[in-house]
Amino acid sequence: AQSVTQPDIHITVSEGASLELRCNYSYGATPYLFWYVQSPGQGLQLLLKYFSGDTLVQGIKGFEAEFKRSQSSFNLRKPSVHWSDAAEYFCAVGRGSSNTGKLIFGQGTTLQVKP
Amino acid sequence: NAGVTQTPKFQVLKTGQSMTLQCAQDMNHEYMSWYRQDPGMGLRLIHYSVGAGITDQGEVPNGYNVSRSTTEDFPLRLLSAAPSQTSVYFCASRSGQKKIYGYTFGSGTRLTVV
Repeated sequence: AQSVTQPDIHITVSEGASLELRCNYSYGATPYLFWYVQSPGQGLQLLLKYFSGDTLVQGIKGFEAEFKRSQSSFNLRKPSVHWSDAAEYFCAVGRGSSNTGKLIFGQGTTLQVKP
Repeated sequence: NAGVTQTPKFQVLKTGQSMTLQCAQDMNHEYMSWYRQDPGMGLRLIHYSVGAGITDQGEVPNGYNVSRSTTEDFPLRLLSAAPSQTSVYFCASRSGQKKIYGYTFGSGTRLTVV
């Protein structure tokens, strides 16, 4: 069965520091991978997605993610964190060859930014 | 603005009551889904639909019903509310075209069952 693991439940970084949020997935075929961000009391906003091709994907708000098939990972990075990046981040995997469009989400990582 | 609209934003129910969470999208998306979000568990799929008249169960369908009579609307019905259904519910939609694969999420309905 497909699964997504975000090993870090909570991360605190200083403003201006770099950030990496980890995501590992279990999936038998080529996955479609996503990162979403959720601000408090809000819905989920898509940061970036990977379907195929270049394994380094650029997203909104200065985020990027790298797909590493050998490690079954899709880690999210940002070179310099801003206080407004404090939120909860979700990694998700979709079934690439399926028409159901179902997404499997990780448990989420809460990012706190120190001034 | 185009998007996914969920109503109500907040709801308190008594155990045993029934209610319908509304979800509407104006992007002509074929695919729609309902998720529930609980602390430490991410989002779990309740039901989904790939088009009008077609629905199927997700990971946690028990206690919920759905129907899809139009492309725009995908209501979620709680038949007999239980405290275990206290959660935040999100509706999402996406285009059926393969390369446009990102889901658009509504702002959620926070449900408390007492």
